[in-house]
Amino acid sequence: EDQVTQSPEALRLQEGESSSLNCSYTVSGLRGLFWYRQDPGKGPEFLFTLYSAGEEKEKERLKATLTKKESFLHITAPKPEDSATYLCAVQADNNNDMRFGAGTRLTVKP
Amino acid sequence: NAGVTQTPKFQVLKTGQSMTLQCAQDMNHNSMYWYRQDPGMGLRLIYYSASEGTTDKGEVPNGYNVSRLNKREFSLRLESAAPSQTSVYFCASLMRAGGYYGYTFGSGTRLTVV
Repeated sequence: EDQVTQSPEALRLQEGESSSLNCSYTVSGLRGLFWYRQDPGKGPEFLFTLYSAGEEKEKERLKATLTKKESFLHITAPKPEDSATYLCAVQADNNNDMRFGAGTRLTVKP
Repeated sequence: NAGVTQTPKFQVLKTGQSMTLQCAQDMNHNSMYWYRQDPGMGLRLIYYSASEGTTDKGEVPNGYNVSRLNKREFSLRLESAAPSQTSVYFCASLMRAGGYYGYTFGSGTRLTVV
């Protein structure tokens, strides 16, 4: 069965303090690994899709990387507006849907 | 604005009552999904529709039914609500276009069953 584990559950950073969020996964043939951002009271918002080990994608202060067992979301010099819950999901080759992790709740203090 | 629209945004039901959650997308997507989100458990798939006219069970389908009315609309029905169905429900559609491959989510329906 496909599984996704995110760590830590919660992370508090000072503005400008870089860090990484982890997403460990097991899947029988990876079609894609996805990162979403979710603000309180809203639906998740798409950030990145990664397809194969070694792939990297960047958007502003965020950079996502992928290995055969895990993905990292690196946050460089975060700002308070980066505070949100970050969700990781995987889709297997033989599935039409995605399996989500429980998320990492990020708080960035000014 | 283009996207996924869910109604209602909030609902309180008594145990045993029924209701239908509505979802519509105007992006001409084939695949649509219903997830529920509970604290500490992440998003769990209830049902999905890979294309108009087809529906399939997800991880937690018990107590729910769905209808893919047309390509735009995908509704979720609770026939006899139970307190365990208290959750936030999200509808999503799958976009594959121009290098973008991922879900577009609605804003959610917060359901409380008392």
